[in-house]
Amino acid sequence: AQTVTQSQPEMSVQEAETVTLSCTYDTSESDYYLFWYKQPPSRQMILVIRQEAYKQQNATENRFSVNFQKAAKSFSLKISDSQLGDAAMYFCAYYRGDKLTFGTGTRLAVRP
Amino acid sequence: NAGVMQNPRHLVRRRGQEARLRCSPMKGHSHVYWYRQLPEEGLKFMVYLQKENIIDESGMPKERFSAEFPKEGPSILRIQQVVRGDSAAYFCASSQMRELHEQFFGPGTRLTVL
Repeated sequence: AQTVTQSQPEMSVQEAETVTLSCTYDTSESDYYLFWYKQPPSRQMILVIRQEAYKQQNATENRFSVNFQKAAKSFSLKISDSQLGDAAMYFCAYYRGDKLTFGTGTRLAVRP
Repeated sequence: NAGVMQNPRHLVRRRGQEARLRCSPMKGHSHVYWYRQLPEEGLKFMVYLQKENIIDESGMPKERFSAEFPKEGPSILRIQQVVRGDSAAYFCASSQMRELHEQFFGPGTRLTVL
């Protein structure tokens, strides 16, 4: 079974600074997708960024970018120019076979 | 275009009662997924349905839980004889096509069992 590990339960960043959230996963498959979701206090799950495993180029979405290391099975999220609205739980997720497998999340605090 | 709708947003039940959670997918979406989030944990897959068919229920508890997605109307997640351990947030997600590999989530239903 696939597993997703987020080893940082909590992180903190100064407003306008950069922070990186870590994620590793375990799979024997070569074709899959990876996602980062944001869950603010409203609990709504918001898609932040996605990465197709067959693409070598790292995905970027405005201030959000990933460092995808397929051989190492690592998928970290970098948030640049952090804003107060970025404060939330962040979940890394692996997708294959119609289901998402989530990590346990990292709670990000943004200091003003 | 309205997003995924779930109701109720909050549901309180006493032990032994039944809980019914409803999910209306985004317009044009025919694939529905249910996930459960226990306190301080990530979401865990429960079941994947298409209209009138259960495609994958590998994450569903064997007893007391059932799900349906009828031809007309919302998808229903039903929990019979609820116990305190069923207290959680239940999220529904929908997708337009299986091949798009992207699921859009509803706001969730928080179930509290007294």
